Amino acid sequence: DQQVKQNSPSLSVQEGRISILNCDYTNSMFDYFLWYKKYPAEGPTFLISISSIKDKNEDGRFTVFLNKSAKHLSLHIVPSQPGDSAVYFCAASTGNQFYFGTGTSLTVIP
Amino acid sequence: DVKVTQSSRYLVKRTGEKVFLECVQDMDHENMFWYRQDPGLGLRLIYFSYDVKMKEKGDIPEGYSVSREKKERFSLILESASTNQTSMYLCASSLTGTGYEKLFFGSGTQLSVL
Repeated sequence: DQQVKQNSPSLSVQEGRISILNCDYTNSMFDYFLWYKKYPAEGPTFLISISSIKDKNEDGRFTVFLNKSAKHLSLHIVPSQPGDSAVYFCAASTGNQFYFGTGTSLTVIP
Repeated sequence: DVKVTQSSRYLVKRTGEKVFLECVQDMDHENMFWYRQDPGLGLRLIYFSYDVKMKEKGDIPEGYSVSREKKERFSLILESASTNQTSMYLCASSLTGTGYEKLFFGSGTQLSVL
């Protein structure tokens, strides 16, 4: 059973606008959430994370929001750039186990 | 910075062959993982190891085995490769698994089984 879900397989956004990627989870024991970015034929690279004691974490153009009551997190990219075009995976952790969503393919149109 | 190295970027094998995928990390991490990535299915955990000679099954261990004889090296073995094992294989490591940690990934091995 998929414990981490990304319901949007793809997203297209104009350059300079905001990209919002969403992720839902089912296990209330998850205490750490991460976003990874993946280019074709490369391994995922860490982007940003948030612990369950926070509701927002910001790093430059990237902000992750966590809504524990809704079991929902989102990644905001502002402004979006063509180099942001990639597949984004959200992940949730209980410590030594990581559970990944199915990914959202983001295309930023110049 | 942590480096996770996978021995091959691309591999082509025949059905029935025994396949070894090697992974080495250089930061003394306790935990190592093998995932496969398929379109529409995301990253699925095959096996993981939290110590030398220790291994745990992930979500899809069938048709695979692993070996961890040294802390820095984690090998994935396809005992008899089949076409449905054509996939991108990703190795990852994490420090201890006891806190807020992130996974570090290798560049991946794209395996084609013909």
